[in-house]
Amino acid sequence: GESVGLHLPTLSVQEGDNSIINCAYSNSASDYFIWYKQESGKGPQFIIDIRSNMDKRQGQRVTVLLNKTVKHLSLQIAATQPGDSAVYFCAAYTGGFKTIFGAGTRLFVKA
Amino acid sequence: DGGITQSPKYLFRKEGQNVTLSCEQNLNHDAMYWYRQDPGQGLRLIYYSQIVNDFQKGDIAEGYSVSREKKESFPLTVTSAQKNPTAFYLCASSPSVAKNIQYFGAGTRLSVL
Repeated sequence: GESVGLHLPTLSVQEGDNSIINCAYSNSASDYFIWYKQESGKGPQFIIDIRSNMDKRQGQRVTVLLNKTVKHLSLQIAATQPGDSAVYFCAAYTGGFKTIFGAGTRLFVKA
Repeated sequence: DGGITQSPKYLFRKEGQNVTLSCEQNLNHDAMYWYRQDPGQGLRLIYYSQIVNDFQKGDIAEGYSVSREKKESFPLTVTSAQKNPTAFYLCASSPSVAKNIQYFGAGTRLSVL
C-alpha cells in the first residue's frame, strides 16, 4: 500500500547548526506535500508545503526540497534553535481525500 | 481566536464504556477529520467529513462512530467495540478535502482504566 516514511526516527543537532530531515514516499501520483511540526502534548502545526511542479520552496529558516525522480523530500532548518525541538512529519496528498502521514522524526537540539 | 478546540485533554475509559471526544472549529472549514496517533507511528485516519450531515470511514473506523450535525462540530465516540482505545486522538479541519493544509487541535489522550 501507499506509505510515507522518514529515514531516521531521531536526529540530534547542535544549536546553531543546520538540520536536515528526510522523507520518502511511495506513490508517484502524490502531487502535494506538507511538513508539520508537533511539540510534545500538542497537535501538529503546518510548517511549509510544496507542490509537485516545484523542486524547492523556502520559508522563514526552513527549506523543503522535492526530488520526484527518487520520490524523496527533505526539510532543512537553518540555524537550529532549542525551540525547534519537536517531532517533524511529512505528509503526502494522494488525491481524493487522502493524506498519508509519515511516522515522524524527533529532533533534539543540544545547547 | 480562530482555531480548533478539542476536549477533554485527558480522558479515561472504563471497560465496556462508550466515551465521546469533542471537536469544535470556528474556521468555517467544510472538511473535518479524526486521526489516531500511536507511539512511533504516523497519523491514521479514523473518519472524515466533507460537509455537514456527511461522513466517511477512514482506514481504522472499526469501534468508532462520528456525527456531523453542525459545520463547527465533529464529535468522535469511542465505543466498547474498540478493544485497544489507548492513544492520542487528533481532530483536524481544512477548507475542503482537496489539497489543503489541515489545522489540528491540541489532542485528547485517552487511557483505559
